[in-house]
Amino acid sequence: EVQLVESGGGLVQPGGSLRLSCAASGFTFSSYEMNWVRQAPGKGLEWVSYISSSGSTIYYADSVKGRFTISRDNAKNSLYLQMNSLRAEDTAVYYCATQLSYGSFDYWGQGTLVTVSS
Amino acid sequence: QSALTQPRSVSGSPGQSVTISCTGTSSDVGGYNYVSWYQQHPGKAPKLMIYDVSKRPSGVPDRFSGSKSGNTASLTISGLQAEDEADYYCCSYAGSYYVVFGGGTKLTVL
Repeated sequence: EVQLVESGGGLVQPGGSLRLSCAASGFTFSSYEMNWVRQAPGKGLEWVSYISSSGSTIYYADSVKGRFTISRDNAKNSLYLQMNSLRAEDTAVYYCATQLSYGSFDYWGQGTLVTVSS
Repeated sequence: QSALTQPRSVSGSPGQSVTISCTGTSSDVGGYNYVSWYQQHPGKAPKLMIYDVSKRPSGVPDRFSGSKSGNTASLTISGLQAEDEADYYCCSYAGSYYVVFGGGTKLTVL
């Protein structure tokens, strides 16, 4: 059974940093492209970042470019999102998700809540 | 890139059919056959219902179907059931590896 479990969320002050993790199991993680998608409280979904199966290709949404860094460790079956210079508008539940095709995400974790507030 | 446009809400009675529209531009919905639809129940993670405009993942009932015409994609749910009540989001590839979601539609089963 495919499982994605996010962790690392919490309360952080504006300008602070946080590192999210996504532990994968039940599938060959190294063969899958991965994404982070977020959802602000009571709002819609927003794509955040993509990483290829090898980690060699990476893309970001304009809203996080230069502040967030996606990475993966295929040996540890893990995906990461390093978030720096956090802003109030980054407050959201962050989901990791496997990619089925361009813009389609077939397996999702349960999400981890990031709250940016003083 | 702007969000795709969806109606805020739609409703239907059990057994009926409903269609949710998703309007974009020639740079996203109209330019690629990479539209997907997600169902999200309160407090839960999104679930993929349709991908590549009209393909259904394994396990998704064939009551759910997707289509596209020009810059507008549509999700049709036939034979509405109580458990279909949820938020639905469309999503499209927009080139240069950019992905844009719609604002979401709340489906109420009357």
